[in-house]
Amino acid sequence: EIVLTQSPATLSLSPGERATLSCRASQSVNTYLAWYQQKPGQAPRLLIYDASNRATGIPARFSGSGSGTDFTLTISSLEPEDFAVYYCQQRSNWPKTFGQGTKVEIK
Amino acid sequence: EVQLLESGGGLVQPGGSLRLSCTASGFTFNNYALSWVRQAPGRGLEWVSTISGNGDSTFYTDSVKGRFTISRDSSKSTLYLQMNSLRAEDTAVYYCAKDLCSRSGGSCYFFDYWGQGTLVSVTS
Repeated sequence: EIVLTQSPATLSLSPGERATLSCRASQSVNTYLAWYQQKPGQAPRLLIYDASNRATGIPARFSGSGSGTDFTLTISSLEPEDFAVYYCQQRSNWPKTFGQGTKVEIK
Repeated sequence: EVQLLESGGGLVQPGGSLRLSCTASGFTFNNYALSWVRQAPGRGLEWVSTISGNGDSTFYTDSVKGRFTISRDSSKSTLYLQMNSLRAEDTAVYYCAKDLCSRSGGSCYFFDYWGQGTLVSVTS
């Protein structure tokens, strides 16, 4: 099983600041990685797929990069609605696995 | 508009059974793999099971193999998860999720639409 480790666990930032979230895989997943956003009481929302492709309707302030084992989700300038938990997910191997999440909270 | 609506969750004793349903609309049902993803209270996301668009292939996480069965009925545009021999650690919100990619291009097992979730609570 591919283990995805996200860091940091919590990121405390102010609106307008840049957020950088990391996801590290226990073995190469090529670029078969996605990022999701989840707000309390809501289902997850797909942000990025195949490491760097924005999903439909996702604002340009969200960007993804990386390949192999190291990936980054960047939010260029945090909006109030961006404070949430973010998960990475790999589709390279079965079982499909998620990271444990990074919470982006208001400082 | 794509919609996924889960039902069937509830309170069940350890060793009991439940069947979850997910009614889909707004897309060509047979063209997409569908999955169940769960989230234990206060915890992260865990992939549970996936079924291919034509229903020929199914996949399970190890902890549910032999206990859970995923299936789909194209005549009703509905996805199911039959859960038997339930354990306390199966307690979670269960989401159904649609694959981003259609099977004509090869399913990609990323999830672009999710239902609102249904809560399964296994307790004595």
